[in-house]
Amino acid sequence: AQSVTQPDIHITVSEGASLELRCNYSYGATPYLFWYVQSPGQGLQLLLKYFSGDTLVQGIKGFEAEFKRSQSSFNLRKPSVHWSDAAEYFCAVGAPPGTASKLTFGTGTRLQVTL
Amino acid sequence: DGGITQSPKYLFRKEGQNVTLSCEQNLNHDAMYWYRQDPGQGLRLIYYSQIVNDFQKGDIAEGYSVSREKKESFPLTVTSAQKNPTAFYLCASRGGISYNEQFFGPGTRLTVL
Repeated sequence: AQSVTQPDIHITVSEGASLELRCNYSYGATPYLFWYVQSPGQGLQLLLKYFSGDTLVQGIKGFEAEFKRSQSSFNLRKPSVHWSDAAEYFCAVGAPPGTASKLTFGTGTRLQVTL
Repeated sequence: DGGITQSPKYLFRKEGQNVTLSCEQNLNHDAMYWYRQDPGQGLRLIYYSQIVNDFQKGDIAEGYSVSREKKESFPLTVTSAQKNPTAFYLCASRGGISYNEQFFGPGTRLTVL
């Protein structure tokens, strides 16, 4: 069964500092990996996705993530955090297209940004 | 603009009443999903549908029911059998088989009094 672990429930960073949110997954084959962001009381917005190819993927809002198969990780990074990045971030893993394509989500990491 | 709409944004019901949450999409997506979100638990899949007139149970289907009579619509009914229905409910849809990402609606917060 597929699973996702986000070990950090809550992270606080200063505006302008770098950010790394951790995500570890468990999946039997090549995973399809996603990062979503959620502002309070809102739906989820896709930040980036990894299907294959280059293991460093770029997303919206200046975010990037690196897929490391040997570590079963897909960590999200941003070089300089802005106050508007305060939100909850979810990592998800899914099956290849053409299947039921269910996504399994981690429990999320809440990011707080101090000025 | 294409997207997913959920209504209402906030919903209050008395214990023991059934309630139906609306989800509509104009993205021409085949697959649609319902998730429940509780603090600290991430998103849990309730039901999903890959085509019209077909749907499958997710991980926490007990106490919920769905229908998929039209491609654009996937309403969720929270029945009185659901023990703890107060939560934030999110609807999502997914495009063709060459893509796997899901697009989410704004959510409905259900409070059962």
